[in-house]
Amino acid sequence: EVQLVESGGGLVKPGGSLRLSCAASGFTFSSYSMNWVRQAPGKGLEWVSSISSSSSYIYYADSVKGRFTISRDNAKNSLYLQMNSLRAEDTAVYYCARVKGEDLRPIFDYWGQGTLVTVSS
Amino acid sequence: DIQMTQSPSSLSASVGDRVTITCQASQDISNYLNWYQQKPGKAPKLLIYDASNLETGVPSRFSGSGSGTDFTFTISSLQPEDIATYYCQQYDNLEITFGPGTKVDIK
Repeated sequence: EVQLVESGGGLVKPGGSLRLSCAASGFTFSSYSMNWVRQAPGKGLEWVSSISSSSSYIYYADSVKGRFTISRDNAKNSLYLQMNSLRAEDTAVYYCARVKGEDLRPIFDYWGQGTLVTVSS
Repeated sequence: DIQMTQSPSSLSASVGDRVTITCQASQDISNYLNWYQQKPGKAPKLLIYDASNLETGVPSRFSGSGSGTDFTFTISSLQPEDIATYYCQQYDNLEITFGPGTKVDIK
C-alpha cells in the first residue's frame, strides 16, 4: 500500500525556517517524481515545488522561488522541503504528492495527510 | 500564467441528480487537465486525469470531457459520499495551477 507521511510542521515566526519531511513507503520511491502542494486555511490548492526521480529536474512556484528548496534522499525514501524566510502567507497545510507513472507529468495520484505550517509572531 | 476558473463555486443537488462542473483555462492546455475530490479535513484524491481518463478504482459515475480551454466534470448520479470540494488542475508546460474549487453538497 502506498503511504506518504509528512512531518515537521509547526509554529514559526516570520523570517524563520522550517524543514518538512515526507516518508514514503509501499512503492519504489526512486522511480517517481514528487511534489509539494499547499492549502492555506479555508482556501484552495496551490502547487509549491516538483522534483524528478533522480533530482535532475526541480521546479518552484514563483511565490516560493529563492526561499524554498526541495530535495530527496532515495536511499531513505524521503522527500524534503526546506523553507526559509517564511512569511504569514506561507501558512498552510503542506501535502507531499506522488506523480502518477514514472514520468514528469504532474498528475498527483497519491497524497499524504498533510502537515500544518503556521507563520505568526 | 495560466488562470483556471470553475463554475459554479458551489451547488446543492439531490441524491441521484446529475451534477456538472465546468473548468475554463485562460489559454489552450490541450488535454492537460485533472480533477480531484477533497473531503473536509482530508487530502485531495485523483478522480480524472488527462481530461477524460478515469483513475483506477474511481466509480464510473464520475467522468470528464473537454480539450483546449473548456472542460466538464460530471457526476452522473450524485451519492451522499460525493459531498466534497472538486478542483480542476492544469499542467501545461510544467506550469501547474488549480482551479478555485466547487463545493458540492446535498439538497
